[in-house]
Amino acid sequence: KQEVTQIPAALSVPEGENLVLNCSFTDSAIYNLQWFRQDPGKGLTSLLLIQSSQREQTSGRLNASLDKSSGRSTLYIAASQPGDSATYLCAATGNQFYFGTGTSLTVIP
Amino acid sequence: DAGVTQSPTHLIKTRGQQVTLRCSPKSGHDTVSWYQQALGQGPQFIFQYYEEEERQRGNFPDRFSGHQFPNYSSELNVNALLLGDSALYLCASSSLIIYEQYFGPGTRLTVT
Repeated sequence: KQEVTQIPAALSVPEGENLVLNCSFTDSAIYNLQWFRQDPGKGLTSLLLIQSSQREQTSGRLNASLDKSSGRSTLYIAASQPGDSATYLCAATGNQFYFGTGTSLTVIP
Repeated sequence: DAGVTQSPTHLIKTRGQQVTLRCSPKSGHDTVSWYQQALGQGPQFIFQYYEEEERQRGNFPDRFSGHQFPNYSSELNVNALLLGDSALYLCASSSLIIYEQYFGPGTRLTVT
């Protein structure tokens, strides 16, 4: 059974800092790896999707990488802003869909 | 494009009752997945529907059932509600080819 782990569980950084969120998965037989953002009590907003054949994807200040062989994905956020404060979730898609428990990010003005 | 929509937004039910939640997928999507998210946890996969059939199922009891209609919209039914069923229920739609999931705002179910 696929297990997805996100470290750290919570992170607090000053505005402007660059940061990295980590996601690890135990089964490398995945179709893709997707990163989401979730604001309190809300649904999930898709940030980046990395297909299994790809190594990374970029959107604005966000960059996500995927290393299937080591079972790891990272989400890099450049020049963090208070509006980036949210919970960030990664999901590995295989024969089912497996989410990590998320990293709660707080960006301090 | 309205994106993924879910109804109702909030729901309060009593233990033992039955509930039906509804989801309309994003335009162009043919696959609908349902998730349960307890407070402070990541979403847990319940099942996925494609071509009106349950295609995949997570580790949930038979009290959880679903349906997909010809227009690709979907319902999640939960029978004999337990207090532990209180959660945010999320619907996601995707294309079976691309598999990128788009989520709705969720239905907050409270069982008392």
